[in-house]
Amino acid sequence: DVKVTQSSRYLVKRTGEKVFLECVQDMDHENMFWYRQDPGLGLRLIYFSYDVKMKEKGDIPEGYSVSREKKERFSLILESASTNQTSMYLCASSPQREWYNEQFFGPGTRLTVL
Amino acid sequence: AQTVTQSQPEMSVQEAETVTLSCTYDTSESNYYLFWYKQPPSRQMILVIRQEAYKQQNATENRFSVNFQKAAKSFSLKISDSQLGDTAMYFCAFMKQGAQKLVFGQGTRLTINP
Repeated sequence: DVKVTQSSRYLVKRTGEKVFLECVQDMDHENMFWYRQDPGLGLRLIYFSYDVKMKEKGDIPEGYSVSREKKERFSLILESASTNQTSMYLCASSPQREWYNEQFFGPGTRLTVL
Repeated sequence: AQTVTQSQPEMSVQEAETVTLSCTYDTSESNYYLFWYKQPPSRQMILVIRQEAYKQQNATENRFSVNFQKAAKSFSLKISDSQLGDTAMYFCAFMKQGAQKLVFGQGTRLTINP
């Protein structure tokens, strides 16, 4: 079974703090993704990585950065957390194929910024 | 850019009934994939069913089936003999062929009542 794990289920941080969200997958997938999920907006892609040290901006990258130093690990960084970054953050991974790519999701991290 | 629209924010049915969730999308691509993902309360998102746009036959997975209308750009999910365990958020998603990224709809919260 594919396993995608995230470092925390719940996280509370203060405005201005630097926040790290970690994601690890154990299926040797090339692709990894960070989404945020907000009611009424669905999932929106923040960043995506298709290889180690490679990254691509998604639809809402502002205020976020990412790091992928190892294939299995993809980190989302909030350089200076703000209250509008309070959200559910989901990590996903997928293999890289020519045809469709099913994404496998982690359990999510609910981040509250006070 | 592709967009996915789920017009039903919430639905509620009795156990054993059949329910249909709607999804429309907008794209100029001719080759793509469509997905329905399920996110149970406090649990990880999982893939329910997928459809390749080049296939005319509607996909079916046990009690789950889709009605794919390519010309109308519609992709609805039918759940037959609904069960309490079907209670979840359901997301419709689009992937362009050759792309790695998913575009999600806003989600539909489905509640199955005993």
